[in-house]
Amino acid sequence: DAKTTQPTSMDCAEGRAANLPCNHSTISGNEYVYWYRQIHSQGPQYIIHGLKNNETNEMASLIITEDRKSSTLILPHATLRDTAVYYCTDSGAGSYQLTFGKGTKLSVIP
Amino acid sequence: DAGVIQSPRHEVTEMGQEVTLRCKPISGHNSLFWYRQTMMRGLELLIYFNNNVPIDDSGMPEDRFSAKMPNASFSTLKIQPSEPRDSAVYFCASSLGTGGRKKLFFGSGTQLSVL
Repeated sequence: DAKTTQPTSMDCAEGRAANLPCNHSTISGNEYVYWYRQIHSQGPQYIIHGLKNNETNEMASLIITEDRKSSTLILPHATLRDTAVYYCTDSGAGSYQLTFGKGTKLSVIP
Repeated sequence: DAGVIQSPRHEVTEMGQEVTLRCKPISGHNSLFWYRQTMMRGLELLIYFNNNVPIDDSGMPEDRFSAKMPNASFSTLKIQPSEPRDSAVYFCASSLGTGGRKKLFFGSGTQLSVL
């Protein structure tokens, strides 16, 4: 079973920020938060990960709440190419396992 | 780097036939994963190799499934005999290191259809 909960789908206007939420109800102190996305007919693609602090890279920003029970992935200026299924998950530093749930289907609308 | 390379891209076979899926991980990566994706069950981890050694095969559905990694640059997933319920997209992924930095690089997958 998935360790996280996400909305099934979201829409975002092209050029606007897309904010994708995730609940990590069972996350423990040493578990990282990971985000991946899957564009239709492709393999999943790593986006970003973090432990406690907010993180930013060339693709997105990751906001993790202080209690670490929820995170938000932010795509600052969504484009049509960002239409995909976005997966959040969490996994311990000593574990190789990444468990993917159903994800959020993000549709970027022109 | 060309990324993780999987072949074939599509495979259509008849029930009872042997199917072999192939994967070339990114050069220098020491961890390799096989995942299966279906509409009903989503992405499932089948098997994990580290330094060419199978570490966890608990996700392999049954004895009809087997995986090998004879060297650092090649892995196979074999299904014999195949059944219609094996129809799915099979992904191979590789990564460098173990533990917390789980930046997996996935291949484009093999779409398997068993008739």
